Amino acid sequence: DAGITQSPRHKVTETGTPVTLRCHQTENHRYMYWYRQDPGHGLRLIHYSYGVKDTDKGEVSDGYSVSRSKTEDFLLTLESATSSQTSVYFCAISGDPGYEQYFGPGTRLTVT
Amino acid sequence: AQSVSQHNHHVILSEAASLELGCNYSYGGTVNLFWYVQYPGQHLQLLLKYFSGDPLVKGIKGFEAEFIKSKFSFNLRKPSVQWSDTAEYFCAVNAHYGGSQGNLIFGKGTKLSVKP
Repeated sequence: DAGITQSPRHKVTETGTPVTLRCHQTENHRYMYWYRQDPGHGLRLIHYSYGVKDTDKGEVSDGYSVSRSKTEDFLLTLESATSSQTSVYFCAISGDPGYEQYFGPGTRLTVT
Repeated sequence: AQSVSQHNHHVILSEAASLELGCNYSYGGTVNLFWYVQYPGQHLQLLLKYFSGDPLVKGIKGFEAEFIKSKFSFNLRKPSVQWSDTAEYFCAVNAHYGGSQGNLIFGKGTKLSVKP
């Protein structure tokens, strides 16, 4: 398995609180991605990064922000969590946008 | 916008039955194609990929897929499923736009249940 870790693995938080999820890779891949997975929707891209400090929005970016200050770390922040953001969040990495992506173990986030 | 369709939401098979899961995409240009598998409670793992060349691609665990450009399809097959193949399967497509590539677009997934 590719060297990708996500923290925390599980989190329960209250509506309106900020939450930050971390993705850490040891593969030195340039591209990093944040997805959310919900039943019936498959995986939907939230944000992605194509280098340090270079990020862009995906399909479902509203309510989320990201930062990448180092090659190995990609942070996803929910500024003010809502119940609709209850989901499983996966980080993925890739050496090239056309190549396969390798996925982290996921973070299960519950917003009450 | 580019889209990926997996028409079967849930497939139930008995062990030793043959499997074919459909995947169709909407983009008419050059594509890279992938199948991922997600076992219960786990992350997505790559089963196989197609970039170019032989349209019949062999992957891990006895899976294969065939790219049919004229049908915009990349169906996943396995001759004989096992109980351990119970999982959700995702098709994904990456389109080439001129000199650059877009992001991976995933289908909604097909849940496979194999009865022992």
